Amino acid sequence: DIVLTQSPATLSLSPGERATLSCRASQSVSSYLAWYQQKPGQAPRLLIYDASNRATGIPARFSGSGSGTDFTLTISSLEPDDFAVYYCQHRGNWPPFTFGQGTKLEIK
Amino acid sequence: EVQLVESGGGLVKPGGSLRLSCAASEFTFSSYTMNWVRQAPGKGLEWVSSISSTSSHIYYADSMKGRFTISRDNAKKSLYLQLNSLRAEDTAVYYCARGSVTTLTTHFDYWGQGTLVTVSS
Repeated sequence: DIVLTQSPATLSLSPGERATLSCRASQSVSSYLAWYQQKPGQAPRLLIYDASNRATGIPARFSGSGSGTDFTLTISSLEPDDFAVYYCQHRGNWPPFTFGQGTKLEIK
Repeated sequence: EVQLVESGGGLVKPGGSLRLSCAASEFTFSSYTMNWVRQAPGKGLEWVSSISSTSSHIYYADSMKGRFTISRDNAKKSLYLQLNSLRAEDTAVYYCARGSVTTLTTHFDYWGQGTLVTVSS
């Protein structure tokens, strides 16, 4: 099974700073890589799909990149509302859907 | 706007059963693959099961196979998850999530607010 490892586990930054979140796959994967944001007590929200496509209504400060085994979610300039937990997710053959363990983005 | 509303969660004893429901609105439910994803308290997300638009293709995570049953009623715009032989480790918030209109769902674009299942004696 493919394992997705997210790093760092916790990222402490200030509003206005740039955030770079990593998702590494245990083997080369397709570009069917998505990113979600989850705030406490809320459902996940789709941010990025197919590695680099922003979902409907997602601000341009969120961008995704990567291929093979290494994928990145970048938030160009953090806003107070961006502090949350972020998950990557891959669509593979089996199991069809795998999630990373999450990166908590906290205010420094 | 797309809405997914789960219900049916609650407290159940180990070995017990529950039936979760997800009511969909504001989109053509019958065209979309639908999914269940769960999240144990303080933990990450775990895919549970998927069902194609016509129920012709159904998939389960290995740890749930044989105990959980996914189904849908397109006329009622509803998704279901029957949970049997529940274990303490099944304690989680269960989310209903929309897939795609194609046969290949690659991500989940809308999620419900979740329903909490607690398995405890």
